Amino acid sequence: EAQVTQNPRYLITVTGKKLTVTCSQNMNHEYMSWYRQDPGLGLRQIYYSMNVEVTDKGDVPEGYKVSRKEKRNFPLILESPSPNQTSLYFCASSLVPRTNTEAFFGQGTRLTVV
Amino acid sequence: SQKIEQNSEALNIQEGKTATLTCNYTNYSPAYLQWYRQDPGRGPVFLLLIRENEKEKRKERLKVTFDTTLKQSLFHITASQPADSATYLCALGIAGRRALTFGSGTRLQVQP
Repeated sequence: EAQVTQNPRYLITVTGKKLTVTCSQNMNHEYMSWYRQDPGLGLRQIYYSMNVEVTDKGDVPEGYKVSRKEKRNFPLILESPSPNQTSLYFCASSLVPRTNTEAFFGQGTRLTVV
Repeated sequence: SQKIEQNSEALNIQEGKTATLTCNYTNYSPAYLQWYRQDPGRGPVFLLLIRENEKEKRKERLKVTFDTTLKQSLFHITASQPADSATYLCALGIAGRRALTFGSGTRLQVQP
């Protein structure tokens, strides 16, 4: 089954404790991205990757890091989480990096930073 | 400033009626517009894509219109069912940007 898999689904952590949210897709997609979703603000892109070893900032990159060492995986790293990073996070992938292409989303990771 | 507006209030309709959701945008010139469905606690799921030179697109009970003059897209679900209850997101595909720009969504509640 074609899918994007994120882990964990839920995470509660303390301020400053480094964490990683994993994302994996099995569709051989070139393009992967991370979004955060906050009430009333819609989905906002954090980082994206056009292919292996090619990553770039989205609209709200501050406080986040990513890496793309393999085509299927695109982890999101919070080196020093803060309470304003409490949010619902989604990983997404699409075949090519164009906006006329369907995006496939993971199930989401609800992060709470206390 | 650039804005995408979807009605933040939930839309409540009776089963069997047509649901119409609105996506308005300002100061954007999208080449494409996509609609997604999002269920509580789940990721968005793609429904339809319409191009700027297309007026209307249909898929089963779904219909999307795209009016670049009015800067508006309408999303219709005919013969609505309780299973259609969800939040619906519109997303703009803007030339020069690789990422979709999402609205905050409208929640649809279909009453049996």
